[in-house]
Amino acid sequence: GAGVSQSPSNKVTEKGKDVELRCDPISGHTALYWYRQSLGQGLEFLIYFQGNSAPDKSGLPSDRFSAERTGGSVSTLTIQRTQQEDSAVYLCASRTGTPGGETQYFGPGTRLLVL
Amino acid sequence: AQSVTQPDIHITVSEGASLELRCNYSYGATPYLFWYVQSPGQGLQLLLKYFSGDTLVQGIKGFEAEFKRSQSSFNLRKPSVHWSDAAEYFCAVGARAAGNKLTFGGGTRVLVKP
Repeated sequence: GAGVSQSPSNKVTEKGKDVELRCDPISGHTALYWYRQSLGQGLEFLIYFQGNSAPDKSGLPSDRFSAERTGGSVSTLTIQRTQQEDSAVYLCASRTGTPGGETQYFGPGTRLLVL
Repeated sequence: AQSVTQPDIHITVSEGASLELRCNYSYGATPYLFWYVQSPGQGLQLLLKYFSGDTLVQGIKGFEAEFKRSQSSFNLRKPSVHWSDAAEYFCAVGARAAGNKLTFGGGTRVLVKP
């Protein structure tokens, strides 16, 4: 079956602009995660969605970052007023959400460059 | 809070030689442990995982890892590396109580010499 997909693959934007990154999880996966991979910070958790529960936003670095998940499937990560330090690879992952389904499957990522 | 340490930033190994990547974690209970591999420009691919049971786990591509609770370690091994194993390897810890969100180590970049 299809894996996790993300779009766009690459995004170049100017400082101060807003960007939206999209994630399509594996069909049937109820849990969805966003991570960021940057040279300075490594791989870090951003936000987590599980079913209809309130998302865990504990990893979002500032209020410029937000995410939503519509219909329990596709998720969009939005970064407002981008800064150069937002340049990174943004990775999405999903898992089944059932006991025994702890493995997260990752998408290829969106490489964001803020000029 | 969870934390993961991968002490080796870079490792160079000759093709055909054995490989061991170190991972130490900090967590109050038994966590879920994972090894992922990332080739240049690619996402993360799961190599293997440990949840419970047998402490020696087998993964894909001939990799194995051993969970040692007393040492809080989950080291990754491969008896004979291939040039295609050149990549970056990440150890990660998750916990059901924390929504299974993963905490990653800093990664170990493996270079394979012919």
